[in-house]
Amino acid sequence: SQQGEEDPQALSIQEGENATMNCSYKTSINNLQWYRQNSGRGLVHLILIRSNEREKHSGRLRVTLDTSKKSSSLLITASRAADTASYFCANRPIGGAQKLVFGQGTRLTINP
Amino acid sequence: DAGITQSPRHKVTETGTPVTLRCHQTENHRYMYWYRQDPGHGLRLIHYSYGVKDTDKGEVSDGYSVSRSKTEDFLLTLESATSSQTSVYFCAISESGGGTNTGELFFGEGSRLTVL
Repeated sequence: SQQGEEDPQALSIQEGENATMNCSYKTSINNLQWYRQNSGRGLVHLILIRSNEREKHSGRLRVTLDTSKKSSSLLITASRAADTASYFCANRPIGGAQKLVFGQGTRLTINP
Repeated sequence: DAGITQSPRHKVTETGTPVTLRCHQTENHRYMYWYRQDPGHGLRLIHYSYGVKDTDKGEVSDGYSVSRSKTEDFLLTLESATSSQTSVYFCAISESGGGTNTGELFFGEGSRLTVL
């Protein structure tokens, strides 16, 4: 399987704390993306980091990419109850013919 | 929100019956995708399209076929549904399909299929 792996599978923290999710992938990539999915809904794109970038910020989100380790992390700072959702990383392999390969997701629960 | 509509949103069917799921977009995006989502597997690509009448297989294409006769519509067909095809199916669209800067997907709300 080309699927990447995410770690942890589930994470439960208190509101206000920071949440970190990790993602690994298997092949050389053009870019890596993070998506969010609320229960019963479709996925929503959060942020894209290119293969030549090491870090990117968007609001309370910080994404890092280490292509030598084929890994990425998503940090959500000052978490809120509304951040409760599943988070997926997805990579776009070089030569992957327009395919986006998703990880299995991290289920994040923010406790008020 | 991107204009993507999936239909039906829920369907219960019996083993051996044909099923067609429809994805309709109003964004005029070139690329369209069908994924299935199952516990423990995340999202897996079934088929995708890179233009009208241009389609290709994903990693879990067995038992599925697709058609795209118009830019706005991408149909997923299960010729003879099996219980292993019980899943939530997501359609996604993308304006571009490759390169380092591109490839953001916009997803529909999903179609929940139960095969008894």
